[in-house]
Amino acid sequence: KNEVEQSPQNLTAQEGEFITINCSYSVGISALHWLQQHPGGGIVSLFMLSSGKKKHGRLIATINIQEKHSSLHITASHPRDSAVYICAVETSGSRLTFGEGTQLTVNP
Amino acid sequence: DVKVTQSSRYLVKRTGEKVFLECVQDMDHENMFWYRQDPGLGLRLIYFSYDVKMKEKGDIPEGYSVSREKKERFSLILESASTNQTSMYLCASTRDRGGTEAFFGQGTRLTVV
Repeated sequence: KNEVEQSPQNLTAQEGEFITINCSYSVGISALHWLQQHPGGGIVSLFMLSSGKKKHGRLIATINIQEKHSSLHITASHPRDSAVYICAVETSGSRLTFGEGTQLTVNP
Repeated sequence: DVKVTQSSRYLVKRTGEKVFLECVQDMDHENMFWYRQDPGLGLRLIYFSYDVKMKEKGDIPEGYSVSREKKERFSLILESASTNQTSMYLCASTRDRGGTEAFFGQGTRLTVV
């Protein structure tokens, strides 16, 4: 079993829909990262969380340390949100362990 | 704008060649990392460095080595490239050892033929 599990693996939505991507982990962590990867490969950091909730524009990330679970929400989704979303947990010294990613496609 | 720059977007090398992948960051970050990304496996840590001339093995170091002679530059070396090293390689850096944002390069897609 992977230390970081994401669901779903693939997600297709219509423009405007509310989207949730989930991440569960099985190890003790110092922080959790949500990353976005567009076709072509470059990865951008969206959030880093150690507790509670963060919001940036239409994106919201939450984490429940006790339940070892985090969610990434996208409100009013748009085709430009289509990307791979990756959850990564930080265990020690900035070392990251990654989930396999969620491929999101938002259709117009 | 902060930047992590990888020297090549695409590389094609022959089996047995020595391959150098270069990564440079302009943020004066202490920590640098090399990952590879494969379908179904996600990103996996190859090597990392917390300081100049310092290196630590990650989860999959076999067949690789690294060099960090200057703070801003972290090189990944494939001593003798093999076809199973065909992959996307990503470099990243962080300012501190914990709880700080990771900045990634654009990736190098390496094909070994």
